Amino acid sequence: DAGITQSPRHKVTETGTPVTLRCHQTENHRYMYWYRQDPGHGLRLIHYSYGVKDTDKGEVSDGYSVSRSKTEDFLLTLESATSSQTSVYFCAINIRGTDTQYFGPGTRLTVL
Amino acid sequence: EDKVVQSPLSLVVHEGDTVTLNCSYEVTNFRSLLWYKQEKKAPTFLFMLTSSGIEKKSGRLSSILDKKELFSILNITATQTGDSAVYLCAVEKSTGTASKLTFGTGTRLQVTL
Repeated sequence: DAGITQSPRHKVTETGTPVTLRCHQTENHRYMYWYRQDPGHGLRLIHYSYGVKDTDKGEVSDGYSVSRSKTEDFLLTLESATSSQTSVYFCAINIRGTDTQYFGPGTRLTVL
Repeated sequence: EDKVVQSPLSLVVHEGDTVTLNCSYEVTNFRSLLWYKQEKKAPTFLFMLTSSGIEKKSGRLSSILDKKELFSILNITATQTGDSAVYLCAVEKSTGTASKLTFGTGTRLQVTL
């Protein structure tokens, strides 16, 4: 499972509240990614990180911010959640030397 | 804009049939094409293809890439009910900082008895 965990696994929140999702890895991988998955859209990249404090935007970054203060944790924050951010969020890591991304178990977020 | 298109969108077959799933792409700075299987949870990695014409094989699954025509196929022979899943195609591109994946919307395969 590439040593990736996500928390929480499920969350229900209300519009306008801040939400932070956590991705934790145990194997010191440099590259980490956040995706959202929605019916009809597939997996879309939100943000990614290429090292501690090094992050960049993906294709659907509006309304999201990220932080990576240590190698093992990559946090995704919705500053003010909206119903359009109801989705399943996956974290992924890139195993050094393989260029293959492996996915965490996902977080199902519902914004009411 | 990078694009990955999978076909068909969904497919229902009988156990024992052979299926072919298609993936076409348009992407700048292509590095590789990946196939994933997703069964109600996280996608799991199947294959990574970087060179044209070289078949990758794992049991009853195989895949090949055509970099000239910009497509890949995933074949599953002697299908089983456990093959029922969404199959995702993704294309990897290199950027200045990291490689990034663009996904297709997937092909939903249902294998019936």
